[in-house]
Amino acid sequence: GDSVTQMEGPVTLSEEAFLTINCTYTATGYPSLFWYVQYPGEGLQLLLKATKADDKGSNKGFEATYRKETTSFHLEKGSVQVSDSAVYFCALIQGAGSYQLTFGKGTKLSVIP
Amino acid sequence: GAGVSQSPSNKVTEKGKDVELRCDPISGHTALYWYRQSLGQGLEFLIYFQGNSAPDKSGLPSDRFSAERTGGSVSTLTIQRTQQEDSAVYLCASSLKSAGGSGAFFGQGTRLTVV
Repeated sequence: GDSVTQMEGPVTLSEEAFLTINCTYTATGYPSLFWYVQYPGEGLQLLLKATKADDKGSNKGFEATYRKETTSFHLEKGSVQVSDSAVYFCALIQGAGSYQLTFGKGTKLSVIP
Repeated sequence: GAGVSQSPSNKVTEKGKDVELRCDPISGHTALYWYRQSLGQGLEFLIYFQGNSAPDKSGLPSDRFSAERTGGSVSTLTIQRTQQEDSAVYLCASSLKSAGGSGAFFGQGTRLTVV
């Protein structure tokens, strides 16, 4: 079945550091890929998405590129802020007509001043 | 409403009691999902409703779990005879049609603690 593997956390960075959170997936066909973020005490929010190979999703300074050849969708940000402290989830779904999101276990990011 | 609303936000119950968790999806969203988030685990799919179609219940962990969606809007997740392993955050999400195009919008969750 489909699966998503994320780098294990927690990840602790200093403010303005570069962030990478690795995500790889196993799926048949051509899934859509997502990053969700969960800030402390809040629900999951969609951060960015990519629906086909080589697409780049971006939002709030975060980027991720859909790499079919390496089945990856790594999340990056050039300069993190304290307000980026949250848990980040990589997820996939099998095509536009599908409905069941498959999530990774999440990576907790803490950014210190 | 403006977002997915879940109630209660926190629930503490005694082992063996029944609990009901409520989800009010975004107005106009035909798809509704329940997920469970356990400590140290990812999000586990529980059930999916789409319009008037029969729900996909394949993720429900046991027959103590059930869910219904009335009038295509509000949904209730019921856990009967709660066990300590049911302690988790229960998340509801909704989307237009399916989530494949734009993902799904999540509520803040209900934190269930079984003591």
